[in-house]
Amino acid sequence: NAGVTQTPKFRVLKTGQSMTLLCAQDMNHEYMYWYRQDPGMGLRLIHYSVGEGTTAKGEVPDGYNVSRLKKQNFLLGLESAAPSQTSVYFCASSSWDSSYNEQFFGPGTRLTVL
Amino acid sequence: AQSVTQLDSQVPVFEEAPVELRCNYSSSVSVYLFWYVQYPNQGLQLLLKYLSGSTLVKGINGFEAEFNKSQTSFHLRKPSVHISDTAEYFCAVSAEGNYQLIWGAGTKLIIKP
Repeated sequence: NAGVTQTPKFRVLKTGQSMTLLCAQDMNHEYMYWYRQDPGMGLRLIHYSVGEGTTAKGEVPDGYNVSRLKKQNFLLGLESAAPSQTSVYFCASSSWDSSYNEQFFGPGTRLTVL
Repeated sequence: AQSVTQLDSQVPVFEEAPVELRCNYSSSVSVYLFWYVQYPNQGLQLLLKYLSGSTLVKGINGFEAEFNKSQTSFHLRKPSVHISDTAEYFCAVSAEGNYQLIWGAGTKLIIKP
């Protein structure tokens, strides 16, 4: 039981390049989330999904797109990376039958955009 | 809507001393409260949670927190810290049926030898 995994762990991009971050969970959770973490700003929600085939915008969605084609996977895409997207990205998941929404986190992806 | 305030961005404390990390929230509905811990270069893991019942909640690694509804607080405490407690601690709140967690900005616990 791996929980929540993220690929890759580290990545360096040049401005304008694109990339996709992959999140996978093996807990059969319905809800999945992408956050970014910047110093002194805590966690900010980028996009989330309440089920396969559905996504929604969070607090800071601009410059990112997501897809949830399979229940266990949640992809975060950067179409044209900018230095402001340098951050640590965390994926999380939770179960719909947990009314209090305890979230389980992946180990994070550290992205640097030059 | 809910909001969370962690009053201290950093808390330095000597090893084996007690510590309290403060968290206040605002909400017009009943909430569930969480503390997560993030060790250096790692993801977040749940430390403890308050759902209902006893207002004193015990978590992993000797931490505990007390829910105070009248003061809308959920402060985290440990009677004696160890160097291995060096981490960032996040307070979070959710409302029943709401699939989003609202996060505080985090408090870095710095243990001085």
